[in-house]
Amino acid sequence: GESVGLHLPTLSVQEGDNSIINCAYSNSASDYFIWYKQGSGKGPQFIIDIRSNMDKRQGQRVTVLLNKTVKHLSLQIAATQPGDSAVYFCAEWDGGSQGNLIFGKGTKLSVKP
Amino acid sequence: NAGVTQTPKFRILKIGQSMTLQCTQDMNHNYMYWYRQDPGMGLKLIYYSVGAGITDKGEVPNGYNVSRSTTEDFPLRLELAAPSQTSVYFCASSYSGGLGGNQPQHFGDGTRLSIL
Repeated sequence: GESVGLHLPTLSVQEGDNSIINCAYSNSASDYFIWYKQGSGKGPQFIIDIRSNMDKRQGQRVTVLLNKTVKHLSLQIAATQPGDSAVYFCAEWDGGSQGNLIFGKGTKLSVKP
Repeated sequence: NAGVTQTPKFRILKIGQSMTLQCTQDMNHNYMYWYRQDPGMGLKLIYYSVGAGITDKGEVPNGYNVSRSTTEDFPLRLELAAPSQTSVYFCASSYSGGLGGNQPQHFGDGTRLSIL
């Protein structure tokens, strides 16, 4: 079946560096993508979303890039801070009418001081 | 606003016991969802609801039941707890879910459930 996956399960970066978290999706009909951040013992927290009619969207210190040709999604975090340490999930809307999201397994980001 | 509130935060059950996980949201969202998250995995949808009185199965509904009598509340019921239901359960809500109106889902902080 269709699935959302992540290229790297863990990522370690130095404080102040930029982080890039990647995500591959397989459903070419997917229309909507979301990045979530999950801290330890917390629920997923919305970071940024992007629709398929866009290839880039920027937020505060975060940028999401969408490459529909290769079905790839990435989250870039500028000037990574210790508070950015968390597990990051990409989620794909499955194309149904009820907004069901398909989640990847997550990438754990560790920020070294 | 409190957002999405889940209770209890932790619970240990014996095999065969039943319990209800509570979820309430104060954002007037029509759509609500229940997910389970197993260690090192992403979230899998158990049930969802597009409005009061309407519920539907997600990817992994077996062993669970839900009801949606009000917009605010979406309880998840385990009738006969089994060890395979040991997981972290997340409730979420969104303003809408359909094409053209997709909105991000807002999550509670989860209920950690162990079945022994």
